[in-house]
Amino acid sequence: QITLKESGPTLVKPTQTLTLTCTFSGFSLSTSGVGVGWIRQPPGKALEWLALIYWDDDKRYSTSLKSRLTITKDTSKNQVVLTMTNMDPVDTATYYCARWAGYQLLNWFDPWGQGTLVSVSS
Amino acid sequence: DIQMTQSPSSLSASVGDRVTITCRASQSISSNLNWYQQKPGKAPKFLIYAASSLQSGVPSRFSGSGSGTDFTLTISSLQPEDFATYYCQQTYSTPGTFGGGTKVEIK
Repeated sequence: QITLKESGPTLVKPTQTLTLTCTFSGFSLSTSGVGVGWIRQPPGKALEWLALIYWDDDKRYSTSLKSRLTITKDTSKNQVVLTMTNMDPVDTATYYCARWAGYQLLNWFDPWGQGTLVSVSS
Repeated sequence: DIQMTQSPSSLSASVGDRVTITCRASQSISSNLNWYQQKPGKAPKFLIYAASSLQSGVPSRFSGSGSGTDFTLTISSLQPEDFATYYCQQTYSTPGTFGGGTKVEIK
């Protein structure tokens, strides 16, 4: 059974850096073709793709947030960490991590973690 | 980035109705299109990949079609557990952008 769980602060102040950890089980991030991604969802709004890290340490970022995001992995700990700098109230959202998998050129996020709500307020 | 536009943003339907949701890409994405279902307070659930292939365990009343820029998700006979918000996602290029969502409500 594959599971993922997000952890991190529920409240951060404006200008602070957010650090979120995705701890997963049931798969290895050293397996070819596998990745872990981060997606967020502001309250009542749509999903937004943030970042993705592949088994070979290739990293991809949201175009609009690229300057603020860093994604890293610790394969031995089965963890992926996302940092987002200079947090603003508009960054208030539920942050999800999800396994990126598939075959050939077809990929998808499945399964997803339960999500963690991060509020940005002074 | 590739923009994904869903329509309608919401719809009201009754149990047993046939429901169709549209997703349009700002450029051709071949068949690199996924669909997800999200219920209130829950994480999205993966439904369909490659525009028309059902993930294992997804009821056959769900179907997807399309290629290029225009795609549809159809629920052939809406069930009570299908009331949710549906999102499309393109995986042709990164970032793998999502559509704005379509909320399916009870009529």
